[in-house]
Amino acid sequence: NAGVTQTPKFRILKIGQSMTLQCTQDMNHNYMYWYRQDPGMGLKLIYYSVGAGITDKGEVPNGYNVSRSTTEDFPLRLELAAPSQTSVYFCASSYGRRSNQPQHFGDGTRLSIL
Amino acid sequence: GESVGLHLPTLSVQEGDNSIINCAYSNSASDYFIWYKQESGKGPQFIIDIRSNMDKRQGQRVTVLLNKTVKHLSLQIAATQPGDSAVYFCAENEGGADGLTFGKGTHLIIQP
Repeated sequence: NAGVTQTPKFRILKIGQSMTLQCTQDMNHNYMYWYRQDPGMGLKLIYYSVGAGITDKGEVPNGYNVSRSTTEDFPLRLELAAPSQTSVYFCASSYGRRSNQPQHFGDGTRLSIL
Repeated sequence: GESVGLHLPTLSVQEGDNSIINCAYSNSASDYFIWYKQESGKGPQFIIDIRSNMDKRQGQRVTVLLNKTVKHLSLQIAATQPGDSAVYFCAENEGGADGLTFGKGTHLIIQP
């Protein structure tokens, strides 16, 4: 059982470039989330989705976009990469109501913007 | 906004001893709490959760205690092993809002 899979694991971007971070889960979870984790800090919510076709902003959505065309996939898009977006990005999913079910995380994408 | 915090950034314990990691929260509306373990280069791994209608919950070698009066959460790890070395995060839901709010983490170091 793969759980939550994120690709790529590492990426270096130049300022102004764009890219898509991929996330897929095979647990048939309705809820999916994107977080970023800066060094020595906890996770901050970027965007989340409660089901296919439905997305909403979290705490730090600026500079990012998401889509949810299927239950399994929840890609995160950076349109114009900025140094402030250097971080580790984690995707997560959960089965039930978003706030009282444990979220299951992928192993992250480490992104550097130079 | 209100957030979850931890008392210590680093905790060092002897192998075989019990570990206690503490967490303070400030939102009295929070009704669900989770402890995660994060090893280097990995994503957070679910350890144990507790709902606000409980004071204590036990898992395998782990116990979570919730004191709603003082808004305090703790994770106890029995007979700490080298594999327990990681950063531990507490997280809370703030009354059903978007996802979970995470603390900054405590790095647990195991001394041989």
